[in-house]
Amino acid sequence: ELKVEQNPLFLSMQEGKNYTIYCNYSTTSDRLYWYRQDPGKSLESLFVLLSNGAVKQEGRLMASLDTKARLSTLHITAAVHDLSATYFCAVVIVGTSGSRLTFGEGTQLTVNP
Amino acid sequence: ETGVTQTPRHLVMGMTNKKSLKCEQHLGHNAMYWYKQSAKKPLELMFVYNFKEQTENNSVPSRFSPECPNSSHLFLHLHTLQPEDSALYLCASSRLAGGPGSNQETQYFGPGTRLLVL
Repeated sequence: ELKVEQNPLFLSMQEGKNYTIYCNYSTTSDRLYWYRQDPGKSLESLFVLLSNGAVKQEGRLMASLDTKARLSTLHITAAVHDLSATYFCAVVIVGTSGSRLTFGEGTQLTVNP
Repeated sequence: ETGVTQTPRHLVMGMTNKKSLKCEQHLGHNAMYWYKQSAKKPLELMFVYNFKEQTENNSVPSRFSPECPNSSHLFLHLHTLQPEDSALYLCASSRLAGGPGSNQETQYFGPGTRLLVL
């Protein structure tokens, strides 16, 4: 059974600081997503990482994928309050009936002034 | 209207009621999904439809009954629910890279239906 684990689950940080969220998964996969969810809202796709060594950046967020270590990271640079949200990683597994996403528990990020 | 829409956005129902959740996607996708999001738990995949055919039922109780009349619409029929079924129900859609059983591209989520079962 595929397990997707994120850490930390809760992160409180000050504006201007840097931090990294980690996503470990237990089964081979070559596609990983990062999503953002604001309170009471739906999930918004941030990044899709398709191959080993993939790195993508958007503003203050940068995501990377190491398929050999089964690890993805979401790095936050110089955090601002607007980044406060819950961040999910999700791993794609392809089976006999098609592919499915398995989500991590989510990391609730709070950026304090 | 664009993206993935869901109605109603909020629903309160008793355990003996029957209600339906509706999802519509305007993205030309060919796969649709129902997820359950409970407090302090990861998103749980409930059902998957590829090209209108159900390809996955993730051990969901029979009091939840999905229906996919076409590639753009997905319903979740609810009956005799329990209080522990209270949650945010999210619909998503994606495009499959090839035919049925092929890999999916990015899933796009609707705003969700917040369900409370009394």
